[in-house]
Amino acid sequence: GENVEQHPSTLSVQEGDSAVIKCTYSDSASNYFPWYKQELGKGPQLIIDIRSNVGEKKDQRIAVTLNKTAKHFSLHITETQPEDSAVYFCAPTKGAAGNKLTFGGGTRVLVKP
Amino acid sequence: DTEVTQTPKHLVMGMTNKKSLKCEQHMGHRAMYWYKQKAKKPPELMFVYSYEKLSINESVPSRFSPECPNSSLLNLHLHALQPEDSALYLCASSQETGLAGNTIYFGEGSWLTVV
Repeated sequence: GENVEQHPSTLSVQEGDSAVIKCTYSDSASNYFPWYKQELGKGPQLIIDIRSNVGEKKDQRIAVTLNKTAKHFSLHITETQPEDSAVYFCAPTKGAAGNKLTFGGGTRVLVKP
Repeated sequence: DTEVTQTPKHLVMGMTNKKSLKCEQHMGHRAMYWYKQKAKKPPELMFVYSYEKLSINESVPSRFSPECPNSSLLNLHLHALQPEDSALYLCASSQETGLAGNTIYFGEGSWLTVV
C-alpha cells in the first residue's frame, strides 16, 4: 500500500510568516494530491488539491506544488493568520483506489499572534 | 458548514451496550464512508459504501456493523466494544468512488468513549 510521510510534524510560525509542509509518498501511480485541514473538534476539510498533470496550484494564500519525479508535494501558506492554526493532512490517492484515502501523519501548525 | 451531519456528537457507552452512530447527507452523493480517528493520529478508513452496497471493509472487527438504509443515510452499529475503541468516528461522502479527485466531505464526527 501507499506509504505517506509528512514533515514537519509540528510547525510554529509568527503571524504573517509563511509555512511549508512536505508530503512524501511511495506509490508512483498516485495521481491526485489533496490537502485537508482539521480544526479542533471538527472533521477534516479539503483546502486545496492538485492532479498529476499540474505542477502547481494556488488559491489565495495557499498553494500546492507537486514533484512527481521525486514523489512529493508541498502545501504553502503565505501571510499566516491565527485561524490557520490547525492540523494539516496530505492524502495522496490513485485512481484505481478511488477515494480510499491514506492520510499522512499530520502537521500541527500553530500561528502565534 | 459541513453538509454531512453526524449524531450524536458525543456518546459514552459501556462494554455491554448496543448503540448506533448516524450520518446523513443531502448532496446526492452515492459514496459514503466511515473513518476512525484516535487522538493525535490521522483518520483511518473503516468502511466504504458505494450505491448503498458495502464495497470496502478494512478488516474491521465485527463488533462494528455498518448499514446504509438509503443513499442519504449511513449508520454504524456498535456492540460489545472495548475501551480501545474510544475515538472520533468520522462519516464522509463523495459523489462516487473509483474516481481520484472526487472531493470527500467529512462530518464533524462523533466522539465515542467506551467505559
